[in-house]
Amino acid sequence: DSGVTQTPKHLITATGQRVTLRCSPRSGDLSVYWYQQSLDQGLQFLIQYYNGEERAKGNILERFSAQQFPDLHSELNLSSLELGDSALYFCASSVADDRWNEKLFFGSGTQLSVL
Amino acid sequence: DAKTTQPNSMESNEEEPVHLPCNHSTISGTDYIHWYRQLPSQGPEYVIHGLTSNVNNRMASLAIAEDRKSSTLILHRATLRDAAVYYCILRAGGSQGNLIFGKGTKLSVKP
Repeated sequence: DSGVTQTPKHLITATGQRVTLRCSPRSGDLSVYWYQQSLDQGLQFLIQYYNGEERAKGNILERFSAQQFPDLHSELNLSSLELGDSALYFCASSVADDRWNEKLFFGSGTQLSVL
Repeated sequence: DAKTTQPNSMESNEEEPVHLPCNHSTISGTDYIHWYRQLPSQGPEYVIHGLTSNVNNRMASLAIAEDRKSSTLILHRATLRDAAVYYCILRAGGSQGNLIFGKGTKLSVKP
């Protein structure tokens, strides 16, 4: 158990809909990362937050947004869903913004199926 | 971030050592070498990381070439639980901090 909690574990929805994925980082971790994993694209970095502020952006679509709240949990919002958004979404957290030595701890993911 | 090259797949026998290679010929002086693994149906898991010297921890050893253009992750005695995809990642010092995953090496362990 990595200590990172993601909910829900599974989500089935229809095209055009909007969903919210939630992530609770390990106690004391300030950084939260979101990744998308699909069969054809592998693990893709989406976005990082550090202590409530956006720190880095990767291949995140404009239809997707995220935020980190004062209690440090994070939410990834996916809107106008398309079939191609079906994937496993992982959240990870790290203890500090030490880019040289930090280790990322990943949750078990949310499996999103868009029908 | 500099690129890494890993074999797509490798096979090992249970209780034998496994050497997983990674080439990173364009590595820069401040790049750390990180290894993560992903077991089936799980999120990635940190394994080990290093800069110049060889590193050991309870999970594995990391051997880094003197010119740092390649490295090897060593599992001393493979178990069935070590069957996973292993990712070798370069983490640029002073970068934005995100890990960029490649395709990794899928390790199969035979009993």
